[in-house]
Amino acid sequence: EVHLVESGGGLVQPGGSLRLSCAASGFIFSSYTMSWVRQAPGKGLEWVSSISGSGGSTYYADSVKGRFTISRDNSKTTLYLQVYSLRAEDTAVYYCAKRLVGTTTPFDYWGQGTLVTVSS
Amino acid sequence: DIQMTQSPSTLSASVGDRVTITCRASQGISDWLAWYQQKLGKAPKLLIYKASSLESGVPSRFSGSGSGTEFTLTISSLQPDDFATYYCQQYNSYSYIFGQGTRLEIK
Repeated sequence: EVHLVESGGGLVQPGGSLRLSCAASGFIFSSYTMSWVRQAPGKGLEWVSSISGSGGSTYYADSVKGRFTISRDNSKTTLYLQVYSLRAEDTAVYYCAKRLVGTTTPFDYWGQGTLVTVSS
Repeated sequence: DIQMTQSPSTLSASVGDRVTITCRASQGISDWLAWYQQKLGKAPKLLIYKASSLESGVPSRFSGSGSGTEFTLTISSLQPDDFATYYCQQYNSYSYIFGQGTRLEIK
């Protein structure tokens, strides 16, 4: 059974940084593109970033480009999101998500999310 | 950039009703369109991918259709468990754009 468990969220001051983690199990982690999606309180879903199975290709939403870095450790079956220069508008639940098998596919499994709150 | 627009934003319906939610893309996206259901405080759940393919384990009362710029999600007979927020999503190899969501509430 697929499990995705995020951690690392918390309260951080504007301009601060955090590293979010997503521990994966139940599938061949290195074979799948993985992504981060966020949801501000009471708002809709926003894709943040994706990384290929090998880690060789990364993609970012314009809203986070240059401030967030996605990475993965396939030996530890863990996905990461390093977030820098945080702003109030980055406050959100951050979900990690696995892509459905295939070359162009949506997300079939999601974690439970970790809350990042940016406030002084 | 592609934009995804859902309508309506809120939909009131009763158990047993047939409901349809529409999603429009600002430019053609072929059939690279997914639908998700999200309940309060929970992660989204994939319902439909490639516009009309039903994800494994999803009840057959859910169906999707469309291609190009206009898509629909239909629930043939609403069940109490279906009251939630629904999102469409355009996807390709390097970006994923969500619609703003449609809240389905009990009339």
